[in-house]
Amino acid sequence: KQEVTQIPAALSVPEGENLVLNCSFTDSAIYNLQWFRQDPGKGLTSLLLIQSSQREQTSGRLNASLDKSSGRSTLYIAASQPGDSATYLCAVQGDTGRRALTFGSGTRLQVQP
Amino acid sequence: DVKVTQSSRYLVKRTGEKVFLECVQDMDHENMFWYRQDPGLGLRLIYFSYDVKMKEKGDIPEGYSVSREKKERFSLILESASTNQTSMYLCASSSSGTLGQYFGPGTRLTVT
Repeated sequence: KQEVTQIPAALSVPEGENLVLNCSFTDSAIYNLQWFRQDPGKGLTSLLLIQSSQREQTSGRLNASLDKSSGRSTLYIAASQPGDSATYLCAVQGDTGRRALTFGSGTRLQVQP
Repeated sequence: DVKVTQSSRYLVKRTGEKVFLECVQDMDHENMFWYRQDPGLGLRLIYFSYDVKMKEKGDIPEGYSVSREKKERFSLILESASTNQTSMYLCASSSSGTLGQYFGPGTRLTVT
């Protein structure tokens, strides 16, 4: 059974810092990996999706990488801002029929002004 | 942009009531999902549907049922609400390709 782990569980940084969020998964047979942002009490907003054949994706100040063979992904946030404060969730979709996502427990990020 | 809407943001129901949570997507997606999110447990899959009238159980289907009569609409039904079903419920949809899942805003359900 696929398990997804995110480290750290919480992170507090001063504004302007570059930071890295980590995600690991136990079964490398994945279809894709998706990073989401969740603000308190709200739904999930998709940030980046990496297909299994890709190594990385970029959107603005965000860059996500994928090393499928080692079961790892990182989300890099450049020049962090207070508006980046949220919970970041990593999720993987397996490639053997089940279409649903398996989620990590998230990293709660606080960017101090 | 893909839009997934859920019928209520907040809902308060009494124990034993039958509860309907509605989800609608506007992108002609084949797949639709219901998850619940609880502190310390993360997001867990309740049910999903890959076509009209087709459904499959997820990881925690007990106490729930679903209905998908039209492609754009996926309903979650709590046959007899219980306090342990107090949670945030999130609906999602996706195409059969690999373009990821899109989530609705969530329904915060409280069962008293």
